[in-house]
Amino acid sequence: DVKVTQSSRYLVKRTGEKVFLECVQDMDHENMFWYRQDPGLGLRLIYFSYDVKMKEKGDIPEGYSVSREKKERFSLILESASTNQTSMYLCASSQGGLAGPSSTDTQYFGPGTRLTVL
Amino acid sequence: GQQLNQSPQSMFIQEGEDVSMNCTSSSIFNTWLWYKQDPGEGPVLLIALYKAGELTSNGRLTAQFGITRKDSFLNISASIPSDVGIYFCAERHPAGKLIFGTGTRLQVFP
Repeated sequence: DVKVTQSSRYLVKRTGEKVFLECVQDMDHENMFWYRQDPGLGLRLIYFSYDVKMKEKGDIPEGYSVSREKKERFSLILESASTNQTSMYLCASSQGGLAGPSSTDTQYFGPGTRLTVL
Repeated sequence: GQQLNQSPQSMFIQEGEDVSMNCTSSSIFNTWLWYKQDPGEGPVLLIALYKAGELTSNGRLTAQFGITRKDSFLNISASIPSDVGIYFCAERHPAGKLIFGTGTRLQVFP
């Protein structure tokens, strides 16, 4: 079974703090994704990566950055947390391939990190 | 950007009732996906649809890919308490990204 784990289930930070959210997958997947989930807005893509050291902006990248130094790990970074970044953050991975994200790839999600910024 | 309109936003039903929800898009895509998110967990893929008109079942769940390729429907028959959660439709962008609907929150009362 695919397992996607996220470093924390709940996190409380203060405005202006630097925040790291970590995601690890154990299935040797090429592609990894970060989403945020807000009531009434569904899941929105922040950043994704289809290879080590590669990253692509999603639909709402402002205020975030990412790091993928190893294939199994994809980190989301909030350089200076703000209250409007209070949200549920979901990481996902998919198998992918040499050609980049495949149109038939299934994404597997982690349990989420609920971040509150005070 | 692309929008997926999902309705209804929430549903409160009694155990045993059938449920129907739908999703519409402003664009045409080649894949419709339906995910379920249990409370406190990440979404899990329920059903994937790949061609217009396709009707696919997974146990008590049935989903259809609309003929116009701009909509999809998910039906749940004879609901049970463990059906509680948020159901999301999603479209797969050619670059591999997923575009999600706004979700339908389902509550099932005994």
